[in-house]
Amino acid sequence: SQTIHQWPATLVQPVGSPLSLECTVEGTSNPNLYWYRQAAGRGLQLLFYSVGIGQISSEVPQNLSASRPQDRQFILSSKKLLLSDSGFYLCAWSPVGRAIYGYTFGSGTRLTVV
Amino acid sequence: QQQVKQSPQSLIVQKGGISIINCAYENTAFDYFPWYQQFPGKGPALLIAIRPDVSEKKEGRFTISFNKSAKQFSLHIMDSQPGDSATYFCAASLNSGYALNFGKGTSLLVTP
Repeated sequence: SQTIHQWPATLVQPVGSPLSLECTVEGTSNPNLYWYRQAAGRGLQLLFYSVGIGQISSEVPQNLSASRPQDRQFILSSKKLLLSDSGFYLCAWSPVGRAIYGYTFGSGTRLTVV
Repeated sequence: QQQVKQSPQSLIVQKGGISIINCAYENTAFDYFPWYQQFPGKGPALLIAIRPDVSEKKEGRFTISFNKSAKQFSLHIMDSQPGDSATYFCAASLNSGYALNFGKGTSLLVTP
């Protein structure tokens, strides 16, 4: 069976510090991978998605970047965090060829920038 | 630009009652409409989904009603239970797309 792992679960970082959130998927090959951010009252905002190694599509210009160094690994990064980067970050995956039908989310990372 | 508008923002229902959450969309090309359920501190999980070729889909106590001409769809939770207390998100997308367009969510509280 397929599983998605996301860590850390919670993170408190000072303004201006770097960020690295990691997501891995097991039990499948060539998954579509996604990073979403959930802010209070704003729903789920798609940040990045990837359909293959090294292929990253950005949906919202911002202080964040994403990378996919391996088939089942997706990393969300920032060089310098802003207060506005606080939120609940969710990684998700879906099967190749059935992108929107099989969205499975990880358990999320609660990021607080202080 | 919010492509899917969801209401109400919050909802309180007594145990045994019917919970109704509504969503509206603008893009007539959307052809896949899922609902996700999220418990506190967890990621959302797919609850039920509908395609526009049917007007209603039922799975247990959960029903999606779809009105293509009005570009609206809704989630009905029959015999609501305290365990249904969660945040519900509607979404819409192109069948061939990668990204789901989510509503802002509805926080449902079912009181004993």
